[in-house]
Amino acid sequence: GENVEQHPSTLSVQEGDSAVIKCTYSDSASNYFPWYKQELGKRPQLIIDIRSNVGEKKDQRIAVTLNKTAKHFSLHITETQPEDSAVYFCAASKPGGYNKLIFGAGTRLAVHP
Amino acid sequence: KAGVTQTPRYLIKTRGQQVTLSCSPISGHRSVSWYQQTPGQGLQFLFEYFSETQRNKGNFPGRFSGRQFSNSRSEMNVSTLELGDSALYLCASRIQGAENEQYFGPGTRLTVT
Repeated sequence: GENVEQHPSTLSVQEGDSAVIKCTYSDSASNYFPWYKQELGKRPQLIIDIRSNVGEKKDQRIAVTLNKTAKHFSLHITETQPEDSAVYFCAASKPGGYNKLIFGAGTRLAVHP
Repeated sequence: KAGVTQTPRYLIKTRGQQVTLSCSPISGHRSVSWYQQTPGQGLQFLFEYFSETQRNKGNFPGRFSGRQFSNSRSEMNVSTLELGDSALYLCASRIQGAENEQYFGPGTRLTVT
């Protein structure tokens, strides 16, 4: 069945350090992999996404890498700041899935000043 | 453009009652998906509507239903509420032509007592 595993469930870093969150998906037909950031009491916000025809994508301090062979993708945040503290969700969907996103369980990131 | 809006934001219902939640997508977006978010199960796909037609459905009982109107606004209904239906219900809309990118509304927090 469709499944996305996400690790770690919690991550604590010092301001300025890097943070890495990893996800593994089960359905090899998956071709779209977004990452969402959800602050306490707020909506999930799309922060970056990657499609299966790309191996890496960067946006300022955020980057996502995709390894289709291993069926895993990762979120990298460099020079972390306290405002990066939130829960991060990875997700996967496949063609013909009509926007059905399968989400990972989430990673609670805490950035300490 | 205004973002995805959901009403009401908070709702308290009693077991056995039914509830209707509303979602207005971003102007021009024709696809609306619904998700249930709980601490135990995370973010789970409920269903997706496009041009007033349900195109995909998640693994939820028939008590969960939805519809979409000609102006792309969507409603979801839960009948015979159970305690376990307490959750944050999120809808997301998709921009036409941008495969899979979904933008979430603020959610409706449903509490069943």
